[in-house]
Amino acid sequence: LAKTTQPISMDSYEGQEVNITCSHNNIATNDYITWYQQFPSQGPRFIIQGYKTKVTNEVASLFIPADRKSSTLSLPRVSLSDTAVYYCLVVKDSSYKLIFGSGTRLLVRP
Amino acid sequence: GAGVSQSPSNKVTEKGKDVELRCDPISGHTALYWYRQSLGQGLEFLIYFQGNSAPDKSGLPSDRFSAERTGGSVSTLTIQRTQQEDSAVYLCASSLDPRGLSYEQYFGPGTRLTVT
Repeated sequence: LAKTTQPISMDSYEGQEVNITCSHNNIATNDYITWYQQFPSQGPRFIIQGYKTKVTNEVASLFIPADRKSSTLSLPRVSLSDTAVYYCLVVKDSSYKLIFGSGTRLLVRP
Repeated sequence: GAGVSQSPSNKVTEKGKDVELRCDPISGHTALYWYRQSLGQGLEFLIYFQGNSAPDKSGLPSDRFSAERTGGSVSTLTIQRTQQEDSAVYLCASSLDPRGLSYEQYFGPGTRLTVT
């Protein structure tokens, strides 16, 4: 399974765009890049998933370069409620097991 | 619609006692998963169910841990002779089908287990 590396913590202010980068140098051909969000005292919540280039949904955008060895989760105009831990995962197609790393603790300040 | 529910939300037990944790997955989800999150640590996979079968129990930390699922729905995780190192938040998740869509797992709020 591909190991992921992401910053331990990040600080931002309301209204700013936040970009969290994750490296996964050993990603395999049939691996997908997936991001989850976890608020205190709650279970993780799926945010976005992609294979290559760019994916956008109502919550975030995910940028994946051609070599797929890294990815960047972009949160536009964050608010205080975006304060959470963000996990980058590499998931093998047809796999059922999610392997969570330490995540990035994002703190959004007023 | 209703999400994944877990009960109890909190459980305090004495060392050596047995505990049962319950998970009600989203209706129609065939796959069910148990994870454990210890204080300050990431999530640790425990077991996966497809229907009532558990093809992968590799994450269960010891033979004191067992899980079952009945009717393709409710699942219980049982910890026998609890130890203090079992203290953690136990999270249950479900998904429509593990093949190709397992990355989108829906998690419950968890059961916080404290062993004194």
